[in-house]
Amino acid sequence: IQLTQSPSSLSASVGDRVTITCRASQGISSYLAWYQQNPGKAPKLLIYAASTLQGGVPSRFSGSGSGTDFTLTISSLQPEDFATYYCQQLSSYPLTFGGGTKVEIK
Amino acid sequence: EVQLVASGGDLVQPGGSLRLSCAVSGFTFSDYWMNWVRQAPGKGLEWVANIRQDGSETYYVDSMKGRFTISRDNAKTSLFLQMDSLRAEDTAVYYCARDKRDSWGDYYGMDVWGQGTTVTVSS
Repeated sequence: IQLTQSPSSLSASVGDRVTITCRASQGISSYLAWYQQNPGKAPKLLIYAASTLQGGVPSRFSGSGSGTDFTLTISSLQPEDFATYYCQQLSSYPLTFGGGTKVEIK
Repeated sequence: EVQLVASGGDLVQPGGSLRLSCAVSGFTFSDYWMNWVRQAPGKGLEWVANIRQDGSETYYVDSMKGRFTISRDNAKTSLFLQMDSLRAEDTAVYYCARDKRDSWGDYYGMDVWGQGTTVTVSS
């Protein structure tokens, strides 16, 4: 199953609302996770089951979607949110990640 | 404290072998599926393999089947990745990661990650 993320990069300012999309090549129900990765660091799980916030993750992060189309939204971008974001499908093997979206400071 | 510490990365020649380890502490290792995920320099994440709690089931990405072997030692709370016939394109940071699943086995993602260990395949 291929995951296509868009955009591949974006520039935004602190306080902006940011939306990242992830499209699956076939239906995956809600078996989708979102991760945040900072340079030189391991990924961090943000959202699982498409819309459930992982413990300790700020509520400005939210996820939605099912089937083939998914969205990660950051309601008000904070300085620590400038990072790369990946979606991952867990519906079937091999597990796959999207290509990533780099969120940069405008 | 929950902790995964990956080690064993090194510079190896094409065609060579390497064994990565991931030492686990802070949770009951034998209760969890475990994974290896890699990231080539400047590239995205690529899932490599995972293994069931008791080691009875393993899954791999096709490009690594037959070359890589995932295993675990629950008594030593350690995860391993044996990598053979290494190629330049295997150059990457390799992360170990813990599965997040519910009690019915629904798969949610990977909620704990190690810091990564670097494998470089070059002559």
